[in-house]
Amino acid sequence: GAVVSQHPSRVICKSGTSVKIECRSLDFQATTMFWYRQFPKQSLMLMATSNEGSKATYEQGVEKDKFLINHASLTLSTLTVTSAHPEDSSFYICSGGLAGGPSTDTQYFGPGTRLTVL
Amino acid sequence: AQSVTQLGSHVSVSEGALVLLRCNYSSSVPPYLFWYVQYPNQGLQLLLKYTTGATLVKGINGFEAEFKKSETSFHLTKPSAHMSDAAEYFCAVSGPSNSGYALNFGKGTSLLVTP
Repeated sequence: GAVVSQHPSRVICKSGTSVKIECRSLDFQATTMFWYRQFPKQSLMLMATSNEGSKATYEQGVEKDKFLINHASLTLSTLTVTSAHPEDSSFYICSGGLAGGPSTDTQYFGPGTRLTVL
Repeated sequence: AQSVTQLGSHVSVSEGALVLLRCNYSSSVPPYLFWYVQYPNQGLQLLLKYTTGATLVKGINGFEAEFKKSETSFHLTKPSAHMSDAAEYFCAVSGPSNSGYALNFGKGTSLLVTP
């Protein structure tokens, strides 16, 4: 199956700093990448969707200036949490999709990044 | 809008017993349904999916699910639980988001397997 990696797997940072999380599709080209966050014991909530070469589309309630997403190539998307605060502490998971429509919309998930903001 | 509801946030079964995790969906269009498994501190792994065709879908690790339109259900089953099946299971439906199509997840069911 298709493999997605994330780096780093864990990060601890001080409040007010910025953190960048990388998401790479290793053996396929992800035309669309999704970013989710997951709070403890809860489900995944979609934050944004990005298509290669275009601006990300954010879900309602997600601050685009705080969560900067760049999808520079078909194999790399980055999420930067700017001026992180303790409430941003969460598990961030990316996924890559092979196509934009639902008929073939199997998403392949990365292993996640645990962000802790002190 | 499309959504799924997972009945039971925690399910406990004995090793060797039947596993049944329930998922009901709501969709205004023919749904595409998925089951994912998540082990602690890991990402999600696809167990199986239904798009079209045969309503009984077989997945990895001995799991299967049946799409029942009349019941708007997509329950996940496994005949005999193994200790290694203990994990969090998410049902999801592919549906429109602000950006096109994305997965809408249920709240998850934690499966505990006891010896």
